[in-house]
Amino acid sequence: NAGVTQTPKFRVLKTGQSMTLLCAQDMNHEYMYWYRQDPGMGLRLIHYSVGEGTTAKGEVPDGYNVSRLKKQNFLLGLESAAPSQTSVYFCASMGGLSSGQPQHFGDGTRLSIL
Amino acid sequence: RKEVEQDPGPFNVPEGATVAFNCTYSNSASQSFFWYRQDCRKEPKLLMSVYSSGNEDGRFTAQLNRASQYISLLIRDSKLSDSATYLCVVISLTSGTYKYIFGTGTRLKVLA
Repeated sequence: NAGVTQTPKFRVLKTGQSMTLLCAQDMNHEYMYWYRQDPGMGLRLIHYSVGEGTTAKGEVPDGYNVSRLKKQNFLLGLESAAPSQTSVYFCASMGGLSSGQPQHFGDGTRLSIL
Repeated sequence: RKEVEQDPGPFNVPEGATVAFNCTYSNSASQSFFWYRQDCRKEPKLLMSVYSSGNEDGRFTAQLNRASQYISLLIRDSKLSDSATYLCVVISLTSGTYKYIFGTGTRLKVLA
């Protein structure tokens, strides 16, 4: 059972480089989310999507872009990486909000910006 | 005031002890509630939903107090493997949109 799969699991970038993190889910979920978690801190929402072709800003969207071209995939892009974006990134998906369903998480991408 | 607040801990308890955490929320229109568990450097995993009448899953009991706007998690007979951070989650209706809000977590250490 794949659930939510994130790639890559680890990455080291130099300041100014760009990259894309991929999140894929096989549960036909409408909602998808990108969070970042810094050491000793809680989850902070970067961007989210309520369905294919839609995206919205979360709590900390600056420096990131997202796309949801296919229902099963949610991409997070860093156009010009900065050391402040060193973090663990978690993707999550959920079937729907009104029915009170839980979010299912991928196992994270550990990103270091030098 | 934060929408969802938790005592960060750590709560250090001996093996076999009973420990309880609370999580307060500010939006009285909150609809659904969950407890998640997060191990160090791992993803959050759903522990249990929280129902209005309270619910139990083995050694874990979740309660909801709508009047005082908090949820609680009780762990009986603590095991070393219960050491983790426990996150509460509140789904709230704000300006016509449902929001899924995580607390920052309460850290539990069960000591041998």
